[in-house]
Amino acid sequence: EVQLVQSGAEVKQPGESLKISCQVSGHSFSDYWIGWVRQMPGKGLEWMGIIHFRDSDTRYSPSFQGQVTISADKSITTAYLHWRSLKASDSAIYYCTCAVHGTTWFDPWGRGTLVTVSS
Amino acid sequence: QSALTQSASVSGSPGQSITISCTGTSSDVGGFNYVSWYQQHPGKAPKLMIYDVTKRPSGVSNRFSGSKSGNTASLTISGLQAEDEADYYCNSYMTSSPNYVFGTGTKVTVL
Repeated sequence: EVQLVQSGAEVKQPGESLKISCQVSGHSFSDYWIGWVRQMPGKGLEWMGIIHFRDSDTRYSPSFQGQVTISADKSITTAYLHWRSLKASDSAIYYCTCAVHGTTWFDPWGRGTLVTVSS
Repeated sequence: QSALTQSASVSGSPGQSITISCTGTSSDVGGFNYVSWYQQHPGKAPKLMIYDVTKRPSGVSNRFSGSKSGNTASLTISGLQAEDEADYYCNSYMTSSPNYVFGTGTKVTVL
């Protein structure tokens, strides 16, 4: 069974950097995509970007291009979402999810990482 | 790329059927048979309910069904149950980065 385990909740100040993680277990091969999804308080789901584990091909939503960096470490089957300088408006829940390469649906999902940015 | 358009809320009584629509363009919903639907209960992660427009993952009730006509996809929940009360999001493949777009979300209320 594939599982995605996300890092714990974070409380940060504006201007600080942050990297959250998503570890994939149970996949017998590395040919899959990891997606990062933002959900702001009381709002809907938004794609931030996706990364292909095998070759690190990364595709960003225009809204998030340049605002975050998505990366992956194949050796430890972990994907990352990194901010250089957080803003209060980055406060949200961030989910990672997985799609086998060649499919177009995402399953399963991580439990989410709550990021709170406040001074 | 704008979010796909869903009605904000839909309600129904137990046992009834409801349909949630998801409208996009020929660049996403209308251009590919790659629409999926996700259910999200409050405080929980989304759960895949339908993929490739009409297919149901193992373990998902057959009360959930999907369809598509032109640029609009639909999710139908038949025999509505209290546990179906949740937010539902459509998602479509598209050619532009990041290759996927969500709908605006629909809140389903069981009366």
